[in-house]
Amino acid sequence: GNSVTQMEGPVTLSEEAFLTINCTYTATGYPSLFWYVQYPGEGLQLLLKATKADDKGSNKGFEATYRKETTSFHLEKGSVQVSDSAVYFCALSPYGNNRLAFGKGNQVVVIP
Amino acid sequence: NAGVTQTPKFRILKIGQSMTLQCTQDMNHNYMYWYRQDPGMGLKLIYYSVGAGITDKGEVPNGYNVSRSTTEDFPLRLELAAPSQTSVYFCASSQGGGGTGELFFGEGSRLTVL
Repeated sequence: GNSVTQMEGPVTLSEEAFLTINCTYTATGYPSLFWYVQYPGEGLQLLLKATKADDKGSNKGFEATYRKETTSFHLEKGSVQVSDSAVYFCALSPYGNNRLAFGKGNQVVVIP
Repeated sequence: NAGVTQTPKFRILKIGQSMTLQCTQDMNHNYMYWYRQDPGMGLKLIYYSVGAGITDKGEVPNGYNVSRSTTEDFPLRLELAAPSQTSVYFCASSQGGGGTGELFFGEGSRLTVL
C-alpha cells in the first residue's frame, strides 16, 4: 500500500545547528510529496511540496528533494532557530488527490 | 481569518457515550476531511467530503459517522464510544481535490474515552 516512514524519536538540537529529518515512502505510481509543520497550539500547515522526481521544494529556509531512486524526501535546514521548534510531518498524495497519507511526525526542539 | 475551527478542544467520554465533534470552515472550500492521530502514529483518514451532501469513507471509518449539509460544516459523530477511539482528531479542508496537497487544518480535538 501507500505509506510514509519517518525516522524514530524526537530531535533536539542547538540553535544554528543543521537539521535533517528523514522520510521514505512506499507508493504505487508517482505520488506528490509534502512536508507539514505543526507549531505548538496550532493546526498543521503545509511547509513545502514536490510533485515529481528531482523536484526540490523549499520554504522558510527548509528544503527537501524528491528522490525516486531512493524513495525519499528528507527535510533539511542549514541553521535552525528556536522558532523552528515544532512537529514535522511527511505526507504523500498517492492518487493525485488530497486524501493524504501521513507519517507519524517528528518533534523538533531547538535549544537557545 | 478563522480558517478551520474545531470544537471542543478537549473532551472526556465514558465508554458507550456518544458525542459530536464540530468542524466549521470559512474559506468556502468544497473538500473537507477528518483525520485521527494516535500516539506515535501518523494521521489516518476517517471520512472525507467533496461537497455538500457527499461524503465517503477513508481508511478508518468504523465507529464514526459524518454529514455535510452545508459547505461550511462537517461534523463527526461518535456512537457508542470505545477506548480505541481515544485520539486527537483533526478536521481539514482544501480548495480542490486535485493533489495540490494544501490542506488547511484545525487545531485538533483531544478525546479520551474511559
